[in-house]
Amino acid sequence: DGGITQSPKYLFRKEGQNVTLSCEQNLNHDAMYWYRQDPGQGLRLIYYSQIVNDFQKGDIAEGYSVSREKKESFPLTVTSAQKNPTAFYLCASMSTGWNSPLHFGNGTRLTVT
Amino acid sequence: SQQGEEDPQALSIQEGENATMNCSYKTSINNLQWYRQNSGRGLVHLILIRSNEREKHSGRLRVTLDTSKKSSSLLITASRAADTASYFCATGAGNKLTFGGGTRVLVKP
Repeated sequence: DGGITQSPKYLFRKEGQNVTLSCEQNLNHDAMYWYRQDPGQGLRLIYYSQIVNDFQKGDIAEGYSVSREKKESFPLTVTSAQKNPTAFYLCASMSTGWNSPLHFGNGTRLTVT
Repeated sequence: SQQGEEDPQALSIQEGENATMNCSYKTSINNLQWYRQNSGRGLVHLILIRSNEREKHSGRLRVTLDTSKKSSSLLITASRAADTASYFCATGAGNKLTFGGGTRVLVKP
């Protein structure tokens, strides 16, 4: 079945450590996205990529980095510069075209202590 | 910044009743989409309405869009306990979607 896989589901890190969240899709979608969700809140866009080897900052990119070396993969690194990294992170993909829906993974819950 | 804002923030209804939630946005859009999120899970796409459409139906869902008022509504008819979730509107401009804060819906059996 086609879909988006995020791993791991839960991730625990000590403050000051970088951590990378995995996102893989087999939907053959060109565009991929990372969103952050805080408890009881909506989604805020961190980074997005419309083609391989290209990506753009979203609304809250500070303290995060991404790469897009393959169409299927869009990993997100939460760096030690991110002041409040504990959150639920959602990866999504979209086929090209302005009227396409987003397909989401099931998220990674990151806890930094 | 959040483009879409849902109202109400929370809604509690009995099974069988209808649930209505609204979304307002600020700038021009290509489309407006509604998503559902069950607790601790990813979002699931429900329905997309284009900027030149006024109403769309999908099963028990009815979405309206009023671009002059920059607002949309989602109606869930004959609600079921399984409809308990958070519902988000998202506005699309190009390949970028911006989400609102969501409406948390509780359907009591």
